[in-house]
Amino acid sequence: QKEVEQNSGPLSVPEGAIASLNCTYSDRGSQSFFWYRQYSGKSPELIMSIYSNGDKEDGRFTAQLNKASQYVSLLIRDSQPSDSATYLCAKNSNSGYALNFGKGTSLLVTP
Amino acid sequence: DADVTQTPRNRITKTGKRIMLECSQTKGHDRMYWYRQDPGLGLQLIYYSFDVKDINKGEISDGYSVSRQAQAKFSLSLESAIPNQTALYFCATSGPSWGGGPDTQYFGPGTRLTVL
Repeated sequence: QKEVEQNSGPLSVPEGAIASLNCTYSDRGSQSFFWYRQYSGKSPELIMSIYSNGDKEDGRFTAQLNKASQYVSLLIRDSQPSDSATYLCAKNSNSGYALNFGKGTSLLVTP
Repeated sequence: DADVTQTPRNRITKTGKRIMLECSQTKGHDRMYWYRQDPGLGLQLIYYSFDVKDINKGEISDGYSVSRQAQAKFSLSLESAIPNQTALYFCATSGPSWGGGPDTQYFGPGTRLTVL
Protein backbone atom coordinates (compact mmCIF):
# COMPACT_ATOMS: atom_id res chain seq x y z
CA GLN A 1 0.00 0.00 0.00
CA LYS A 2 1.36 3.39 -0.99
CA GLU A 3 1.83 5.68 2.02
CA VAL A 4 -0.36 8.45 0.63
CA GLU A 5 -3.37 7.70 -1.54
CA GLN A 6 -5.33 10.13 -3.68
CA ASN A 7 -7.96 9.69 -6.35
CA SER A 8 -6.31 10.77 -9.59
CA GLY A 9 -9.51 12.34 -10.96
CA PRO A 10 -10.12 14.41 -12.91
CA LEU A 11 -12.51 16.11 -10.54
CA SER A 12 -14.68 18.54 -12.44
CA VAL A 13 -16.61 21.31 -10.67
CA PRO A 14 -18.42 24.36 -12.01
CA GLU A 15 -17.07 27.83 -11.31
CA GLY A 16 -18.22 29.09 -7.92
CA ALA A 17 -18.76 25.63 -6.44
CA ILE A 18 -16.88 23.96 -3.63
CA ALA A 19 -14.17 21.52 -4.68
CA SER A 20 -13.43 18.73 -2.21
CA LEU A 21 -10.14 16.87 -2.50
CA ASN A 22 -9.36 13.88 -0.32
CA CYS A 23 -6.28 11.98 0.76
CA THR A 24 -5.69 8.96 3.00
CA TYR A 25 -2.45 7.78 4.55
CA SER A 26 -1.22 4.54 6.04
CA ASP A 27 1.23 5.54 8.79
CA ARG A 28 -0.57 6.40 12.02
CA GLY A 29 2.58 8.06 13.34
CA SER A 30 2.56 10.79 10.69
CA GLN A 31 2.43 14.25 12.19
CA SER A 32 2.61 16.85 9.42
CA PHE A 33 0.48 17.14 6.30
CA PHE A 34 0.68 19.42 3.30
CA TRP A 35 -1.33 20.33 0.24
CA TYR A 36 0.60 21.50 -2.82
CA ARG A 37 -0.81 22.84 -6.07
CA GLN A 38 0.98 22.08 -9.32
CA TYR A 39 0.16 23.58 -12.68
CA SER A 40 1.11 21.54 -15.70
CA GLY A 41 4.87 21.64 -16.29
CA LYS A 42 5.47 23.81 -13.24
CA SER A 43 6.85 23.15 -9.78
CA PRO A 44 4.64 22.36 -6.79
CA GLU A 45 3.72 25.30 -4.57
CA LEU A 46 2.49 25.01 -1.00
CA ILE A 47 -1.14 25.88 -0.31
CA MET A 48 -1.65 24.66 3.23
CA SER A 49 0.05 22.78 6.00
CA ILE A 50 -1.81 21.18 8.88
CA TYR A 51 -0.68 19.10 11.82
CA SER A 52 -3.50 19.21 14.35
CA ASN A 53 -6.86 17.48 14.13
CA GLY A 54 -9.61 19.73 12.90
CA ASP A 55 -9.91 22.47 10.33
CA LYS A 56 -7.48 25.13 9.22
CA GLU A 57 -8.71 27.95 7.01
CA ASP A 58 -6.75 30.28 4.76
CA GLY A 59 -8.82 32.42 2.45
CA ARG A 60 -10.82 30.20 0.12
CA PHE A 61 -8.94 27.09 1.26
CA THR A 62 -9.73 24.86 4.23
CA ALA A 63 -7.62 21.86 5.19
CA GLN A 64 -9.16 19.20 7.40
CA LEU A 65 -7.23 16.55 9.30
CA ASN A 66 -8.62 13.47 11.03
CA LYS A 67 -5.78 11.39 12.47
CA ALA A 68 -8.09 8.71 13.88
CA SER A 69 -9.47 8.00 10.41
CA GLN A 70 -6.16 8.77 8.71
CA TYR A 71 -7.44 11.20 6.15
CA VAL A 72 -6.73 14.74 5.08
CA SER A 73 -8.93 16.85 2.86
CA LEU A 74 -8.77 20.20 1.11
CA LEU A 75 -11.85 22.28 0.39
CA ILE A 76 -11.71 25.09 -2.14
CA ARG A 77 -14.64 27.49 -1.88
CA ASP A 78 -15.83 29.65 -4.76
CA SER A 79 -13.71 27.64 -7.21
CA GLN A 80 -12.22 29.61 -10.08
CA PRO A 81 -10.91 28.39 -13.47
CA SER A 82 -7.47 29.45 -12.26
CA ASP A 83 -7.74 26.75 -9.56
CA SER A 84 -7.57 24.11 -12.30
CA ALA A 85 -4.39 22.19 -11.48
CA THR A 86 -3.14 19.00 -9.88
CA TYR A 87 -3.30 18.98 -6.10
CA LEU A 88 -0.69 16.92 -4.28
CA CYS A 89 -1.19 15.64 -0.76
CA ALA A 90 1.98 15.01 1.25
CA LYS A 91 2.99 13.98 4.73
CA ASN A 92 6.25 13.80 6.60
CA SER A 93 8.13 10.56 6.11
CA ASN A 94 9.69 8.33 8.74
CA SER A 95 12.86 10.44 8.46
CA GLY A 96 10.87 13.40 9.75
CA TYR A 97 11.68 16.06 7.19
CA ALA A 98 11.45 14.32 3.82
CA LEU A 99 7.93 14.10 2.39
CA ASN A 100 5.86 11.27 0.98
CA PHE A 101 3.61 12.49 -1.83
CA GLY A 102 0.42 11.11 -3.24
CA LYS A 103 0.03 10.85 -7.01
CA GLY A 104 -2.15 13.95 -7.07
CA THR A 105 -5.74 14.77 -7.98
CA SER A 106 -6.43 16.69 -11.15
CA LEU A 107 -9.02 19.44 -10.64
CA LEU A 108 -10.86 21.10 -13.52
CA VAL A 109 -13.02 24.14 -12.80
CA THR A 110 -15.34 24.84 -15.70
CA PRO A 111 -16.66 28.37 -16.44
CA ASP B 1 15.74 36.23 -8.40
CA ALA B 2 14.37 32.77 -7.61
CA ASP B 3 15.26 31.32 -4.22
CA VAL B 4 15.83 27.81 -5.64
CA THR B 5 17.41 27.48 -9.06
CA GLN B 6 18.08 24.42 -11.19
CA THR B 7 20.35 24.01 -14.18
CA PRO B 8 19.86 23.00 -16.89
CA ARG B 9 16.12 23.51 -17.32
CA ASN B 10 15.96 21.11 -20.23
CA ARG B 11 18.39 18.42 -21.33
CA ILE B 12 18.32 15.77 -24.02
CA THR B 13 20.99 13.11 -23.82
CA LYS B 14 21.77 9.63 -25.05
CA THR B 15 21.78 6.27 -23.29
CA GLY B 16 25.02 5.67 -21.40
CA LYS B 17 25.99 9.32 -20.99
CA ARG B 18 26.83 10.83 -17.60
CA ILE B 19 24.56 13.71 -16.65
CA MET B 20 24.71 16.16 -13.76
CA LEU B 21 21.78 18.28 -12.63
CA GLU B 22 22.57 21.18 -10.35
CA CYS B 23 20.56 22.91 -7.67
CA SER B 24 21.38 26.11 -5.80
CA GLN B 25 19.42 27.94 -3.13
CA THR B 26 19.61 31.32 -1.46
CA LYS B 27 17.10 30.54 1.31
CA GLY B 28 19.77 29.59 3.83
CA HIS B 29 18.16 26.19 4.38
CA ASP B 30 20.15 23.20 5.60
CA ARG B 31 17.91 20.52 4.09
CA MET B 32 17.86 19.75 0.38
CA TYR B 33 16.06 17.10 -1.66
CA TRP B 34 15.92 15.62 -5.14
CA TYR B 35 12.65 14.26 -6.54
CA ARG B 36 11.63 12.87 -9.89
CA GLN B 37 8.15 13.12 -11.31
CA ASP B 38 6.69 10.86 -13.94
CA PRO B 39 3.23 11.39 -15.44
CA GLY B 40 0.59 9.97 -13.11
CA LEU B 41 3.12 8.87 -10.48
CA GLY B 42 3.47 11.90 -8.27
CA LEU B 43 6.80 12.90 -6.77
CA GLN B 44 9.29 10.23 -5.75
CA LEU B 45 12.20 11.03 -3.46
CA ILE B 46 15.63 10.15 -4.87
CA TYR B 47 18.07 11.51 -2.27
CA TYR B 48 18.02 14.01 0.55
CA SER B 49 20.59 15.82 2.65
CA PHE B 50 20.09 17.39 6.05
CA ASP B 51 23.44 19.16 6.04
CA VAL B 52 26.73 19.13 4.13
CA LYS B 53 27.94 15.94 5.85
CA ASP B 54 24.63 14.07 5.71
CA ILE B 55 23.36 12.25 2.60
CA ASN B 56 20.47 9.79 2.61
CA LYS B 57 18.88 7.55 0.01
CA GLY B 58 15.24 8.03 -0.81
CA GLU B 59 12.68 5.69 -2.39
CA ILE B 60 14.36 5.36 -5.79
CA SER B 61 18.12 6.00 -5.47
CA ASP B 62 19.35 3.21 -7.78
CA GLY B 63 21.11 4.66 -10.83
CA TYR B 64 21.60 8.05 -9.17
CA SER B 65 24.24 9.68 -6.98
CA VAL B 66 24.42 13.07 -5.29
CA SER B 67 26.97 15.54 -4.03
CA ARG B 68 26.42 18.26 -1.44
CA GLN B 69 29.16 20.70 -2.35
CA ALA B 70 28.08 23.38 0.09
CA GLN B 71 25.07 24.32 2.18
CA ALA B 72 23.58 26.02 -0.86
CA LYS B 73 24.43 23.46 -3.55
CA PHE B 74 23.17 19.93 -4.13
CA SER B 75 23.87 18.07 -7.37
CA LEU B 76 22.27 14.96 -8.79
CA SER B 77 24.20 12.70 -11.17
CA LEU B 78 23.10 9.96 -13.49
CA GLU B 79 26.28 7.93 -14.01
CA SER B 80 25.01 6.11 -17.08
CA ALA B 81 21.66 7.46 -18.22
CA ILE B 82 18.96 5.08 -19.43
CA PRO B 83 15.65 5.87 -21.18
CA ASN B 84 13.47 5.09 -18.15
CA GLN B 85 15.20 7.95 -16.32
CA THR B 86 13.37 10.32 -18.64
CA ALA B 87 11.36 12.46 -16.23
CA LEU B 88 10.91 15.86 -14.65
CA TYR B 89 13.40 16.39 -11.81
CA PHE B 90 12.81 18.78 -8.94
CA CYS B 91 15.12 20.06 -6.26
CA ALA B 92 13.59 21.27 -3.01
CA THR B 93 14.83 22.87 0.19
CA SER B 94 13.47 23.21 3.68
CA GLY B 95 14.51 24.80 6.93
CA PRO B 96 13.32 25.04 10.50
CA SER B 97 9.94 26.64 11.05
CA TRP B 98 9.85 29.34 13.67
CA GLY B 99 7.54 28.36 16.48
CA GLY B 100 8.11 24.65 15.99
CA GLY B 101 5.69 24.17 13.11
CA PRO B 102 6.20 21.71 10.27
CA ASP B 103 8.88 22.31 7.68
CA THR B 104 7.81 23.67 4.35
CA GLN B 105 9.56 22.47 1.23
CA TYR B 106 10.27 25.01 -1.50
CA PHE B 107 10.71 23.64 -4.98
CA GLY B 108 12.93 24.73 -7.83
CA PRO B 109 11.50 25.17 -11.35
CA GLY B 110 12.46 21.65 -12.43
CA THR B 111 14.69 20.07 -15.06
CA ARG B 112 13.08 18.17 -17.91
CA LEU B 113 15.43 15.33 -18.81
CA THR B 114 15.02 13.16 -21.90
CA VAL B 115 17.22 10.11 -22.39
CA LEU B 116 17.17 8.74 -25.92
